Amino acid sequence: EDQVTQSPEALRLQEGESSSLNCSYTVSGLRGLFWYRQDPGKGPEFLFTLYSAGEEKEKERLKATLTKKESFLHITAPKPEDSATYLCAVLSPAGTYKYIFGTGTRLKVLA
Amino acid sequence: NAGVTQTPKFQVLKTGQSMTLQCAQDMNHEYMSWYRQDPGMGLRLIHYSVGAGITDQGEVPNGYNVSRSTTEDFPLRLLSAAPSQTSVYFCASSGQSSREPQHFGDGTRLSIL
Repeated sequence: EDQVTQSPEALRLQEGESSSLNCSYTVSGLRGLFWYRQDPGKGPEFLFTLYSAGEEKEKERLKATLTKKESFLHITAPKPEDSATYLCAVLSPAGTYKYIFGTGTRLKVLA
Repeated sequence: NAGVTQTPKFQVLKTGQSMTLQCAQDMNHEYMSWYRQDPGMGLRLIHYSVGAGITDQGEVPNGYNVSRSTTEDFPLRLLSAAPSQTSVYFCASSGQSSREPQHFGDGTRLSIL
């Protein structure tokens, strides 16, 4: 069964304290792995798409990487405005348009 | 550019009532989908559409109906509301390729009493 697991569930960092969020997945054939950011009371906002192992994407303080079993979202020198829930999703090969989401990591960056 | 617009933002229903959650996008996207988000459960796919006139079931379709008569609109109907349907509902759309990222609305917060 296709599955996405994110860890940790919650993370508190001091401003400037770098860390990584993990997204492990089991799918029979990965068609795409997506990272989103979700602020309270809002819909998810797209960050990155990764398609194949070894691929990396960067945007400001965020860097996403992908292996055959997991993806990491690295946050370098975070700021309080990076506080949000970060969601990971994979595109299931079983259907043309079925995304499987993880339960997210709630990140709090303290000033 | 409005993106994905969901209405209403909040709704309270009584058990057994029916209602329609509206979703509209102005990006000419072919793919649209409905999710529900519950604490500790993540986003779960209810129904999706790959174009006007074409819909299919997701992971949790029971108790919900959809139709897609135009490219822009994808309403979600609750046939007979139950307390288990209390949730936050999100609509999303994406372009021609299913590998393109989804754009989400800001959700409808629905409470069933």
